[in-house]
Amino acid sequence: AQSVSQHNHHVILSEAASLELGCNYSYGGTVNLFWYVQYPGQHLQLLLKYFSGDPLVKGIKGFEAEFIKSKFSFNLRKPSVQWSDTAEYFCAVRSNDYKLSFGAGTTVTVRA
Amino acid sequence: KAGVTQTPRYLIKTRGQQVTLSCSPISGHRSVSWYQQTPGQGLQFLFEYFSETQRNKGNFPGRFSGRQFSNSRSEMNVSTLELGDSALYLCASSLVGSRSLAGSLRTDTQYFGPGTRLTVL
Repeated sequence: AQSVSQHNHHVILSEAASLELGCNYSYGGTVNLFWYVQYPGQHLQLLLKYFSGDPLVKGIKGFEAEFIKSKFSFNLRKPSVQWSDTAEYFCAVRSNDYKLSFGAGTTVTVRA
Repeated sequence: KAGVTQTPRYLIKTRGQQVTLSCSPISGHRSVSWYQQTPGQGLQFLFEYFSETQRNKGNFPGRFSGRQFSNSRSEMNVSTLELGDSALYLCASSLVGSRSLAGSLRTDTQYFGPGTRLTVL
């Protein structure tokens, strides 16, 4: 079974700052990669996904992620965050067993 | 299109009791997966159902069980509740779910419901 590591437990930054959240996984085969976001009081929502093709994927709300196969990484980025980006972010990986394995999550707090 | 719905949203039970949670997938989705979310363990996969059959199972004791009906709605049951079962239980639906009959990894996406917050006293 694969494991998923998110490097930061809690990130605090100011509005307009750039955000990068790290995600690494352990599985060496074909994977599907996802980033989900959970805003305060809301349910998990899909931010973006990678199945194949261009390793740079764009998601909703200005987020993007880059899949680097050699590094087993799928880092999430946003050039300029807003207060409304305050949320918990989860990286998830799915391999041939179809189970979706989640990282521990990163809480992002954006200060106005 | 309506999203994934889960009922009830909140539930309080005592140790030893059993509980049944319900999930209605997005219309047209045939796969339903269940996850447990706790502050200590994060999000953990419980099981997946597709066409009324359990297709995948996580590492949870037999007290956790589920089923799926012909209309794709799913229920999850936890018997003999323990304090540690207190969690947010999430249901996710997707079009197809596990690999196709041909064996290739299907590339569909799971969409999550709001969850049922279970508190065991």
